[in-house]
Amino acid sequence: DTAVSQTPKYLVTQMGNDKSIKCEQNLGHDTMYWYKQDSKKFLKIMFSYNNKELIINETVPNRFSPKSPDKAHLNLHINSLELGDSAVYFCASSQVAGDPTGELFFGEGSRLTVL
Amino acid sequence: AQSVTQLDSHVSVSEGTPVLLRCNYSSSYSPSLFWYVQHPNKGLQLLLKYTSAATLVKGINGFEAEFKKSETSFHLTKPSAHMSDAAEYFCVVSPPSQGGKLIFGQGTELSVKP
Repeated sequence: DTAVSQTPKYLVTQMGNDKSIKCEQNLGHDTMYWYKQDSKKFLKIMFSYNNKELIINETVPNRFSPKSPDKAHLNLHINSLELGDSAVYFCASSQVAGDPTGELFFGEGSRLTVL
Repeated sequence: AQSVTQLDSHVSVSEGTPVLLRCNYSSSYSPSLFWYVQHPNKGLQLLLKYTSAATLVKGINGFEAEFKKSETSFHLTKPSAHMSDAAEYFCVVSPPSQGGKLIFGQGTELSVKP
């Protein structure tokens, strides 16, 4: 069973469209994250939710809206897609919120290409 | 502010030879430090972590790292490289009191030649 699963794995779309990426974890963790990996493989946190509550929001354009219907799911909706949104988006989870020593478990990523 | 710098963007070794991937950190506090590995088209996996216990940390697949406060370094080593070690490696710091946020280094691509 996949611990952190993301769908879709690949997404190709036109500028201006709206798209969503879904994430689910079956580890029973309280905290989930979205990270963005750019073309140079640099990873940066976007959002973090703890038990459906937003706890980290890192200077991300408000075209990006995370939604957590329950603690096992964290979806990412992107409005009015731009070329610069092309990246690999990783979902992750951890057991305890705010624990700097805790391990993150990552999904396999969703590669978004905006044409 | 906390940050990590990976000193090499690409390292190439021959199979069976030692691996050294270098990482320096900057931190105002006693940091938690991690190494994550990313195989092609895969998610990231934790190799090992330092959380202020033993300074020599052993991880999976024969990797280890030594925390050296005086040098602000956390270099990753492995005595003998295997072809399956070819991947991207990230040194990561987790600042305290920031919700478990991870700050990633730029990554080091490890190539292993037969």
